[in-house]
Amino acid sequence: EVQLVESGGGLVNPGGSLRLSCAASGFTFSNAWMSWVRQAPGKGLEWVGRIKSKTDGGTTDYAAPVKDRFTVSRDDSKTTLYLRMNSLKNEDTAVYYCTTYAYGSHYFWGQGTLVTVSS
Amino acid sequence: QSVLTQPPSVSAAPGQKVTISCSGSSSNIGNNYVSWYQQLPGTAPKLLIYDNNKRPSGIPDRFSGSKSGTSATLGITGLQTGDEADYYCGTWDSSLSAGGLNWVFGGGTKLTVL
Repeated sequence: EVQLVESGGGLVNPGGSLRLSCAASGFTFSNAWMSWVRQAPGKGLEWVGRIKSKTDGGTTDYAAPVKDRFTVSRDDSKTTLYLRMNSLKNEDTAVYYCTTYAYGSHYFWGQGTLVTVSS
Repeated sequence: QSVLTQPPSVSAAPGQKVTISCSGSSSNIGNNYVSWYQQLPGTAPKLLIYDNNKRPSGIPDRFSGSKSGTSATLGITGLQTGDEADYYCGTWDSSLSAGGLNWVFGGGTKLTVL
């Protein structure tokens, strides 16, 4: 059974930093392309970024609102996906989900972790 | 304002059929596969349809997807009260205005089963 468990969310001041983790199990993590998707309170889904598997180059892509502030990384030895968020803004407040990217879709989703940016 | 346009809400009676549209352009739906997601109240989204019309294991055949040109449609037959949820379409978008390749979701459609 595929499991994705996010952690690391919480309250942070504007301009601050936070690192989210996503512990994965039930599939071959090193072969998987992974993504982060967020959802602001009462709003729709917004893609944040993705990372390819190392065998496919390990490259990353980001949505315009987070480019140059957020970094997606992975540790295949720990089967864990990360999202480093710097220079956080109020509008980054959201539930952050990690997903497996397969068959051209966000195939499996974690339960999400809430990030609140507020002073 | 999403580049993929969905109706904000749809409704139908139990047992009936409903369709949810997702309209885009040649930079997204027109040249990429579409997927659909169901988000039940208070839960994480779940994949319903991928590659325009394929269902993951465990998704009942009451759910179907189709694509024509720059639009896609999700169909749900035999509506149940448990189908009340928000539904999102998604695909890749490669418009220059977006700064390259980005995944985009539709704004979401709230399904009410009356």
